[in-house]
Amino acid sequence: DAGITQSPRHKVTETGTPVTLRCHQTENHRYMYWYRQDPGHGLRLIHYSYGVKDTDKGEVSDGYSVSRSKTEDFLLTLESATSSQTSVYFCAISFTGQPNSPLHFGNGTRLTVT
Amino acid sequence: AQTVTQSQPEMSVQEAETVTLSCTYDTSESDYYLFWYKQPPSRQMILVIRQEAYKQQNATENRFSVNFQKAAKSFSLKISDSQLGDAAMYFCAYRSNAGNMLTFGGGTRLMVKP
Repeated sequence: DAGITQSPRHKVTETGTPVTLRCHQTENHRYMYWYRQDPGHGLRLIHYSYGVKDTDKGEVSDGYSVSRSKTEDFLLTLESATSSQTSVYFCAISFTGQPNSPLHFGNGTRLTVT
Repeated sequence: AQTVTQSQPEMSVQEAETVTLSCTYDTSESDYYLFWYKQPPSRQMILVIRQEAYKQQNATENRFSVNFQKAAKSFSLKISDSQLGDAAMYFCAYRSNAGNMLTFGGGTRLMVKP
């Protein structure tokens, strides 16, 4: 158990509303990631963080922002949700940040934008 | 950019039989890491096995083994003595030695018949 908690587990929201997903880790690992999972696409990286206030974009970052004010929390915000952002969102951590270190994932948040 | 392709959207295997899931990737790099993840219906992402590109020997973890063909850019997963609990989505993933991003294939759904 990598000590990752995602909240909420499920959320339904309306188009145009802001949404924030939270990822919390208990072990002070430096590297944290947000992925989205869609059928046929596997998981795609949205944003990642390599430390407090240090973040960078992934391959599908448009429409998303992140913040990391504490080591243990990594927030993903959809400023104005759209139906194309209906997806399952996964937070992940890397114990070392080294390329050979696998990612450990939370249980995901299923977001539905109506 | 690296791409990962899983050409088999679905596979099925009889319990106790052996099945091989295919994965190919495209990269110009020589040093990288490859992973297989399992996602059961619970949605949890579970690391199955990993392979370092500089190692010629194929990785093995109990009933799971890989056939890594670096020149062909192929990384298949063999599951021996299949069990009902092996039924899941399986994702192949690539990580560059120089990058932070884990790139996933689209996944293969494995069904195990009793």
